[in-house]
Amino acid sequence: SAVISQKPSRDICQRGTSLTIQCQVDSQVTMMFWYRQQPGQSLTLIATANQGSEATYESGFVIDKFPISRPNLTFSTLTVSNMSPEDSSIYLCSVEFGTGNGYTFGSGTRLTVV
Amino acid sequence: QKEVEQNSGPLSVPEGAIASLNCTYSDRGSQSFFWYRQYSGKSPELIMSIYSNGDKEDGRFTAQLNKASQYVSLLIRDSQPSDSATYLCAPWGTDKLIFGTGTRLQVFP
Repeated sequence: SAVISQKPSRDICQRGTSLTIQCQVDSQVTMMFWYRQQPGQSLTLIATANQGSEATYESGFVIDKFPISRPNLTFSTLTVSNMSPEDSSIYLCSVEFGTGNGYTFGSGTRLTVV
Repeated sequence: QKEVEQNSGPLSVPEGAIASLNCTYSDRGSQSFFWYRQYSGKSPELIMSIYSNGDKEDGRFTAQLNKASQYVSLLIRDSQPSDSATYLCAPWGTDKLIFGTGTRLQVFP
């Protein structure tokens, strides 16, 4: 399986600011996925990022709040915009290797908004 | 109805016992099923996958799938304290993984 590097690993941010999370994969992948895990909760898919096209957002998530870039087949960023304390979560990127083979996750970004 | 349902637990079992974790799902189009283990403060780790009805064994782990009943389970034999974690069920439909709420397993010595 591939190695996924995600950064920052954690951050404490002021409300109203934005944070960009980076995800780097050591091999080319078609789709990258961004999840959120709120404290004590399971993983919720935010969006799917394909290289060369707009990201596909899940219900309840919008591009203005969570803009995503996917400039090439090994890299993606997720920005959490105009943050509020409710955005305090762990954000995880993941990739799929082979259709239907499950996802591998990055180490996550623990975000605290104060 | 939630897409993927799991008992949140905690499920407490003694060391050496069999832990049984269950999951039901609503999407009949789900084709593949995955079990992830997540230790506290860590990201999820894939431990089992199952694609067809029946049982699949891998070491101390056995995954069971019944598509007609929309039910998938994970058995952990000879449970160890190191198995204490949250176990997430994740059916895969056409293009994404949807995770259940997870079951917290505690294995006590």
